[in-house]
Amino acid sequence: EVQLVESGGGLVQPGGSLRLSCAASGFTFSSYSMNWVRQAPGKGLEWVSYISSSSSTIYYADSVKGRFTISRDNAKNSLYLQMNSLRDEDTAVYYCARTATIFGVVIYYFDYWGQGTLVTVSS
Amino acid sequence: EIVMTQSPATLSVSPGERATLSCRASQSVSSNLAWYQQKPGQAPRLLIYGASTRATGIPARFSGSGSGTEFTLTISSLQSEDFAVYYCQQYNNWPLWTFGQGTKVEIK
Repeated sequence: EVQLVESGGGLVQPGGSLRLSCAASGFTFSSYSMNWVRQAPGKGLEWVSYISSSSSTIYYADSVKGRFTISRDNAKNSLYLQMNSLRDEDTAVYYCARTATIFGVVIYYFDYWGQGTLVTVSS
Repeated sequence: EIVMTQSPATLSVSPGERATLSCRASQSVSSNLAWYQQKPGQAPRLLIYGASTRATGIPARFSGSGSGTEFTLTISSLQSEDFAVYYCQQYNNWPLWTFGQGTKVEIK
């Protein structure tokens, strides 16, 4: 069974930093590209960042570019999001999501999601 | 950026009735459109990809249609567990993935 479990959320002051983690199990983590997607309270979904299976390709939404860093450790089956210079508008539940891959071909929708971790940026 | 617009924002339906949700893209996304279901306090769950292909384990009462800029998610006979928020997502223009703002399906 595919499982994605996020951790590391919490309350942080504006300008502060936080590192989120996502522990993956039930599939060959090193074969899949991964994403972070966030959802502000009462709002819709916003894609945040993407990392390919080998970490060779990384993308960010404009809203977080230069402040957030995505990374992964395939030996530990883990995905990370380092968040710096946090702003009020970064307050959200952060989900890790797996990019669908069918017969080795990446299809680019998100087939499994974790339960999320809440990040609150407030003074 | 491709803007995804869902309608209506809220749909009130009685159990057993049919629900029809719409999603419109600001430019063609071909058939690269997915639908997700989200219940309160839960993560989104993939329902449909490729505009019309049901994901693993998704009941046949869920169906998707459309291509280009106009898409529809139909729930043929609403069950109690189907009351939730539904999001469409385009993945044609990756990595600039975008979601619609959601349609809440509530009990009438």
